[in-house]
Amino acid sequence: NFMLTQPHSVSESPGKTVTISCTRSSGSIASNYVQWYQQRPGSAPTTVIYEDNQRPSGVPDRFSGSIDSSSNSASLTISGLKTEDEADYYCQSYDSIQRVFGGGTKLTVL
Amino acid sequence: QVQLVESGGGLVKPGGSLRLSCAASGFTFSDYYMSWIRQAPGKGLEWVSYISSSGSTIYYADSVKGRFTISRDNAKNSLYLQMNSLRAEDTAVYYCARDRGLVDYWGQGTLVTVSS
Repeated sequence: NFMLTQPHSVSESPGKTVTISCTRSSGSIASNYVQWYQQRPGSAPTTVIYEDNQRPSGVPDRFSGSIDSSSNSASLTISGLKTEDEADYYCQSYDSIQRVFGGGTKLTVL
Repeated sequence: QVQLVESGGGLVKPGGSLRLSCAASGFTFSDYYMSWIRQAPGKGLEWVSYISSSGSTIYYADSVKGRFTISRDNAKNSLYLQMNSLRAEDTAVYYCARDRGLVDYWGQGTLVTVSS
């Protein structure tokens, strides 16, 4: 079994750039794709990054994803922050048996 | 367009049972793994269970193993979650999801409240 660890919360000002990390506890971060979801209060999650670094249509190019094998982690970077980006963000990955979510990161844009 | 519509949530007493359903449309249901994912109030997302396209492979989180049963009816394009011996900690919004190892579509969720 593996776990994905995210910071509990991050905050940044409008117009700035923020990066949210997601560290895999065991097994290689590169062995299975990582996906990132955005969730606003009262709504189901929506995908902002799939397959490590791909953006679904309709997601602004201010959102980008990457993985770093040296730290065994994935990252979600949001540039040019807008107040509408304020939400909870979850990373997710899988292996041959399980699907795992990170604990979620609350992004505050103040 | 892909649609997943959950039903069956509600208030149930501890030790009780509930059956959730998910009606799928807009894609070939029998081609896809499906999952149930839950979110307790104010908490994060937790994978509960998944089932392969044919139903031959099933996974349960340790927190529900032995109490919950996932199933599907490909002829009816439907996914189910039978929940027995419910506990207060099972209180959550339960989402039906199309599963590729990663979720590409979510339902709107159905609330299950376990309370006396």
